[in-house]
Amino acid sequence: AQSVTQPDIHITVSEGASLELRCNYSYGATPYLFWYVQSPGQGLQLLLKYFSGDTLVQGIKGFEAEFKRSQSSFNLRKPSVHWSDAAEYFCAVGYNDMRFGAGTRLTVKP
Amino acid sequence: DAGVIQSPRHEVTEMGQEVTLRCKPISGHNSLFWYRQTMMRGLELLIYFNNNVPIDDSGMPEDRFSAKMPNASFSTLKIQPSEPRDSAVYFCASSEVAGGPVNEQFFGPGTRLTVL
Repeated sequence: AQSVTQPDIHITVSEGASLELRCNYSYGATPYLFWYVQSPGQGLQLLLKYFSGDTLVQGIKGFEAEFKRSQSSFNLRKPSVHWSDAAEYFCAVGYNDMRFGAGTRLTVKP
Repeated sequence: DAGVIQSPRHEVTEMGQEVTLRCKPISGHNSLFWYRQTMMRGLELLIYFNNNVPIDDSGMPEDRFSAKMPNASFSTLKIQPSEPRDSAVYFCASSEVAGGPVNEQFFGPGTRLTVL
């Protein structure tokens, strides 16, 4: 069955610290992969996407993600978190349709 | 482009009333999606359209829910009669590609529905 797992429901990091949000998927073939961010009261905004090619993908707001086929993972990273990064982050995968993970809520401590 | 437009932004209604949510996708986009977001169930795909045709409505929870897309620039999601458990944020999203591999979906700001 196709599924997307974000193991961490809530993560807290200090401002300036590095961040890694995990995403694992189960899919029949290599799907297309996306990370979205949702600020409070807002819709989802695309951070980055992976279709093929270089497995390290750069996105907006200083985020990057790495596709690891052997681990069926597409983890999101940022070297230095800013207070404005506090939001909910969703991993999404698919080919003919898109499935979203349950989301990871990021809290940033001053 | 103004992005995906949804109206109303907030809706408060009483149980049993009909609720109609509206969406205007980004001009030129061929796919339109309706999602529901709750704390308990997260983000759920209700239905999506390609070129104004409903493709997959398996996520529509009950017959009380219906969606239409009469033309490329307008879609509605109707709940009749509404129930308190329908309280959620409903998102509309559109995408440039119809059929074939998925592509980036652009989300509207959502409609927060409260059914008393």
